[in-house]
Amino acid sequence: EAGVAQSPRYKIIEKRQSVAFWCNPISGHATLYWYQQILGQGPKLLIQFQNNGVVDDSQLPKDRFSAERLKGVDSTLKIQPAKLEDSAVYLCASLTSGRPNEQFFGPGTRLTVL
Amino acid sequence: GEDVEQSLFLSVREGDSSVINCTYTDSSSTYLYWYKQEPGAGLQLLTYIFSNMDMKQDQRLTVLLNKKDKHLSLRIADTQTGDSAIYFCAEKGGSSNTGKLIFGQGTTLQVKP
Repeated sequence: EAGVAQSPRYKIIEKRQSVAFWCNPISGHATLYWYQQILGQGPKLLIQFQNNGVVDDSQLPKDRFSAERLKGVDSTLKIQPAKLEDSAVYLCASLTSGRPNEQFFGPGTRLTVL
Repeated sequence: GEDVEQSLFLSVREGDSSVINCTYTDSSSTYLYWYKQEPGAGLQLLTYIFSNMDMKQDQRLTVLLNKKDKHLSLRIADTQTGDSAIYFCAEKGGSSNTGKLIFGQGTTLQVKP
């Protein structure tokens, strides 16, 4: 079974630029998550999708971050404009349907904002 | 609110046992998890424990849960250099089976040969 795919793996941009990340979850997984992991911290949820609908985006800085999952499969996360404090690893995860539900994580995209 | 705390660093010698501790605050958590993160890699689920259990053993891993004190520990027997990584404790937020995971800040395990 293929895992969660993310691209790019690394991205370096200057502050105020825009950036987009892509995630392809495991086939058949309806629930998809984007987490932000700042260096030295644990991941924190940014947004959760169930199919193409948003379940939880309470921690998403909506003035600069946006995410979509138009067809309920792939998802993109965008930052516009980026700030220095957005430097982090952005992790995508998708959820199995068994018990317990397990979140499978992709390798992440490491973003550096200069 | 929801919060998970872990010690930041643990150093052991190869062959010794490692014990990583975690405290959490959400008493409604149904499952608690341990994830491993190696450099440049995503998170890998190591093991989990259901909230009505006190202990779970899985090969070299033993998870102990003290629900009264909201304390979770992960013991790794016969620690190997390949076990060097960051270990995250996580609880599932809320009562939903699809809820977000709330992670601790991670414990860096250093295994010396």
